[in-house]
Amino acid sequence: NAGVTQTPKFRVLKTGQSMTLLCAQDMNHEYMYWYRQDPGMGLRLIHYSVGEGTTAKGEVPDGYNVSRLKKQNFLLGLESAAPSQTSVYFCACRGPPAYEQYFGPGTRLTVT
Amino acid sequence: GNSVTQMEGPVTLSEEAFLTINCTYTATGYPSLFWYVQYPGEGLQLLLKATKADDKGSNKGFEATYRKETTSFHLEKGSVQVSDSAVYFCALSLPGNNRLAFGKGNQVVVIP
Repeated sequence: NAGVTQTPKFRVLKTGQSMTLLCAQDMNHEYMYWYRQDPGMGLRLIHYSVGEGTTAKGEVPDGYNVSRLKKQNFLLGLESAAPSQTSVYFCACRGPPAYEQYFGPGTRLTVT
Repeated sequence: GNSVTQMEGPVTLSEEAFLTINCTYTATGYPSLFWYVQYPGEGLQLLLKATKADDKGSNKGFEATYRKETTSFHLEKGSVQVSDSAVYFCALSLPGNNRLAFGKGNQVVVIP
């Protein structure tokens, strides 16, 4: 089992460009999450999903959109990238029996 | 609201020294408590957890005890190794809540 995978691993965008980050999990978990990690800020929740077809806003949702069309995939979109979105993005999933979160390896995004 | 507080600043110590990282929490109800570890360039991994008061979580020589009276979940290791150099995050979740609340993390550097 691969667990949680993220695509791509690295990306450089110019201001105003758009892109989609893909998260895939093979753990059959209902809950999925997108976080960003910045120095000194810890992890901040962007959006999350409690099941296929559902999404909800986290702490810092502005400038991002998400979709959960299939249970195993959770997409994070940036419609018009800004330098403030330079960060490392982590996806996670969560489910029974213990309900701890399982994280992907991260995507390092730089917006110039 | 629900929150986790970790001690400020990085921790630098010599190999075989004793490590303590403080974690205190604020929560309505009875949370489950977690410690996650992030090695350089990787995603977060669950290190240990405790689901009720007085439980002790342990893994890889690390321990933490759920103290309800002091609302704490301090992480300890008796003899650290260079390979323990990482960032450590404390987190909590509440029954029926879909999200984890994370502390800001502590960078631990172990010097040979």
